[in-house]
Amino acid sequence: EIQMTQSPSVLSASVGDRVTITCRASQKISNYLNWYQQKPGKAPKLLIYGASSFQSGVPSRFSGSGSGTDFTLTINSLQLEDFATYFCQQSYSVPLTFGGGTKLEIK
Amino acid sequence: QVQLVESGGGLVKPGGSLRLSCAASGFSFSDHYMSWVRQAPGKGLEWVSYISSDSSHTNYADSVKGRFSISRDNAEKSVYLQMSSLRAEDSAVYYCVRTRGSYLHLDSWGQGTLVTVSS
Repeated sequence: EIQMTQSPSVLSASVGDRVTITCRASQKISNYLNWYQQKPGKAPKLLIYGASSFQSGVPSRFSGSGSGTDFTLTINSLQLEDFATYFCQQSYSVPLTFGGGTKLEIK
Repeated sequence: QVQLVESGGGLVKPGGSLRLSCAASGFSFSDHYMSWVRQAPGKGLEWVSYISSDSSHTNYADSVKGRFSISRDNAEKSVYLQMSSLRAEDSAVYYCVRTRGSYLHLDSWGQGTLVTVSS
């Protein structure tokens, strides 16, 4: 099973900031990495797939990069609605596995 | 638009069984893999199972293998999760999720149904 490790687990930031969340896989996964956003009481929402491809409707301030074992999700110019929990997920092999999540909080 | 509506959750005793259903609409259901993903209260996401578009291929998390069974009915545009030998650690919100492409990305999620396993 491929382990996914996200850091940090909690991130405090202000509106307008640029933030980066990191996800590391326990083995190489090429670009089989997806990112999700989840708000309290709601289902997750797909942001990025294939490490860097945008899901339709996702604002351009979100971007993803990386390949192999190390990946990042960057949010430019944070908006109030971006404060949420973010999860990475590998789809290179079964079982599909998620990172533990990064909670993005208002500073 | 894509809509996924889960049902069948509830309170069940340890060792019991439950069948979750998910009704899909707004897309060509028979063209897509479907997954179940769960989330225990206050915890992260755990993929449970997926099924291919024609039901020829299924896969399960080790934690549910041998106890859970995924199936689908393309004519009814529905996917199911039969859960048996339930344990307290199976308590979670269960999401039905459309699963797409070679990246198996989970692009559309239902609102979830809560399963509580407790005596």
